[in-house]
Amino acid sequence: SQQGEEDPQALSIQEGENATMNCSYKTSINNLQWYRQNSGRGLVHLILIRSNEREKHSGRLRVTLDTSKKSSSLLITASRAADTASYFCAPRITNAGKSTFGDGTTLTVKP
Amino acid sequence: EPEVTQTPSHQVTQMGQEVILRCVPISNHLYFYWYRQILGQKVEFLVSFYNNEISEKSEIFDDQFSVERPDGSNFTLKIRSTKLEDSAMYFCASKGTNYEQYFGPGTRLTVT
Repeated sequence: SQQGEEDPQALSIQEGENATMNCSYKTSINNLQWYRQNSGRGLVHLILIRSNEREKHSGRLRVTLDTSKKSSSLLITASRAADTASYFCAPRITNAGKSTFGDGTTLTVKP
Repeated sequence: EPEVTQTPSHQVTQMGQEVILRCVPISNHLYFYWYRQILGQKVEFLVSFYNNEISEKSEIFDDQFSVERPDGSNFTLKIRSTKLEDSAMYFCASKGTNYEQYFGPGTRLTVT
């Protein structure tokens, strides 16, 4: 299915450490977007990577995409307590198509 | 930075009542979406809207639901006769000519 599945389900690290989250999907995609959601809040766009891209950076975020393995990863470097949230990947089959979400990775960054 | 806004932030309604959830997408965006998230569950797609018509809808989006773009700025989701199981966080999203979908902060709907 189009749905992204994040792994691990939960991740707990110390402030300053790096956090890596993975996403797998099953269909060919046009693009994949990563979001952050704080408890009870909306989904915040972090970074989008297109199917013809392999890696993108934005500040402390690094996203990779391997279309042959149908997987993506999100790396947050030098994590902060404020990074504590749930992280979701949303693969999309078409440019304007729907996003389909998995259960996310719950990241806890301990001060 | 432009953002998607939603009103109200919290709506409480009685079962069987009609509710309208409102969204103001980012100006000059052309694609609009509604999603919902039942407490503790995944975010689920409801419907997408482009060029004044529904482009895709999920199984959840039955005859009780409708969407409308009544003017050049608002995008609404109407639930005609609410059920207890409609209680959820409802998110509006919009997309422009770029690839990114931007989400609003959500409306928490509580049906009693």
